[in-house]
Amino acid sequence: GQNIDQPTEMTATEGAIVQINCTYQTSGFNGLFWYQQHAGEAPTFLSYNVLDGLEEKGRFSSFLSRSKGYSYLLLKELQMKDSASYLCAVSAPSMDSNYQLIWGAGTKLIIKP
Amino acid sequence: EAGVAQSPRYKIIEKRQSVAFWCNPISGHATLYWYQQILGQGPKLLIQFQNNGVVDDSQLPKDRFSAERLKGVDSTLKIQPAKLEDSAVYLCASSLGSGTGETQYFGPGTRLLVL
Repeated sequence: GQNIDQPTEMTATEGAIVQINCTYQTSGFNGLFWYQQHAGEAPTFLSYNVLDGLEEKGRFSSFLSRSKGYSYLLLKELQMKDSASYLCAVSAPSMDSNYQLIWGAGTKLIIKP
Repeated sequence: EAGVAQSPRYKIIEKRQSVAFWCNPISGHATLYWYQQILGQGPKLLIQFQNNGVVDDSQLPKDRFSAERLKGVDSTLKIQPAKLEDSAVYLCASSLGSGTGETQYFGPGTRLLVL
């Protein structure tokens, strides 16, 4: 079966660092995406990892371990505008030999002053 | 560059009525997706088009949902008749191609409430 797990909700303080974890069990793996979704808005692309290791992009970094089926999104110097849901999605082969994105339910991040 | 456009943004209907949503993808994007997102859940793929052909519609409830992408550009998603459980946000996304690492760009979504 295909399964992606993320914590439902996390709370952090403005200026701090937070790590959002994602574990996955999929039939095949072709990369992992992180998207940010503010309440009432569309998801927006944050990062894509296909090889093991850490990818840094400004205040946001994403890590992947394919052997462990594990990824995390690291947010530094948290700002109030970072309050949003963070969606983990895995690209995997579909039954008809194309690729599909399997989505997690998202982690709602609440930033407190 | 203009993003993915969707309309309407909000729709309220009664059960058993029909409704249609429209999507205009980013210019030049060959692949178009319709997702259903229920509150507190991740997006669920309903249908994927490559140009004007259907690539994946395995999770589309075909007894009530239909979609088309004429001329490989704009797309419409229709629900007829609607049920209470169809209340959700319907997201349209597009990507340049359908390869494994293609980034999907989402429209603002249509929020549907079925009463």
